[in-house]
Amino acid sequence: QPQLQESGPGLVKPSETLSVTCTVSGGSISSTSYYWGWIRQPPGKGLEWIGSLFYGGTTYYNPSLKSRVTISVDASKNQFSLKLTSVTAADTAVYYCARPIKQDGVVPFDIWGQGTMVTVS
Amino acid sequence: QSVLTQPPSASGTPGQRVTISCSGSSSNIGINSVNWYQQLPGTAPRLLVHSNDRRPSGVPDRFSGSKSGTSASLAISGLQSEDEADYYCAAWDDSLSGSYVFGTGTKVTVL
Repeated sequence: QPQLQESGPGLVKPSETLSVTCTVSGGSISSTSYYWGWIRQPPGKGLEWIGSLFYGGTTYYNPSLKSRVTISVDASKNQFSLKLTSVTAADTAVYYCARPIKQDGVVPFDIWGQGTMVTVS
Repeated sequence: QSVLTQPPSASGTPGQRVTISCSGSSSNIGINSVNWYQQLPGTAPRLLVHSNDRRPSGVPDRFSGSKSGTSASLAISGLQSEDEADYYCAAWDDSLSGSYVFGTGTKVTVL
């Protein structure tokens, strides 16, 4: 089973770009047919799917965030990343990276990182 | 706001059976499979049920999922103290460009 670990800035100023990275260990992003996803959870609130990426380039984004989101992969580092532009306080959340239970399936997610808290202030 | 509606809370005593409902529509639960996640305090979500009623390896058979029409349910039988957590349903929604949507979440309390 691979392990996922998020890393992020902790604090981002309003109107700037939030960048979070997920490092995958125990498995290669480029040698399997898995999608890799991002989900977030504002403090005390529910879960929101942000988007998912396939190594070959296919991406799916939440329509409500699509205009501000980019998910990309760096196979050389076995990492995938999330960029969210023009952030506001409403983007304050724990950001999770995750992998689905089946290859070639976008969802559901059965392997999760521990999450990284990002505050916009 | 979420398009999948759950009751905000549910409770039971140890050993009891608790059921959580998830109400959706024809663009999500009505045509796609339902998944359930458990989130213990301060931890990442854990997949409990996928494809409506299938349990990943390691999930106790006390947890069972079902789906009918545009609604789904998660049942926890033989409730245990460690089941106290938040539970979320989720499904793909085919409206607009497609999106994975989570339910509003249900807090289960073991009395």
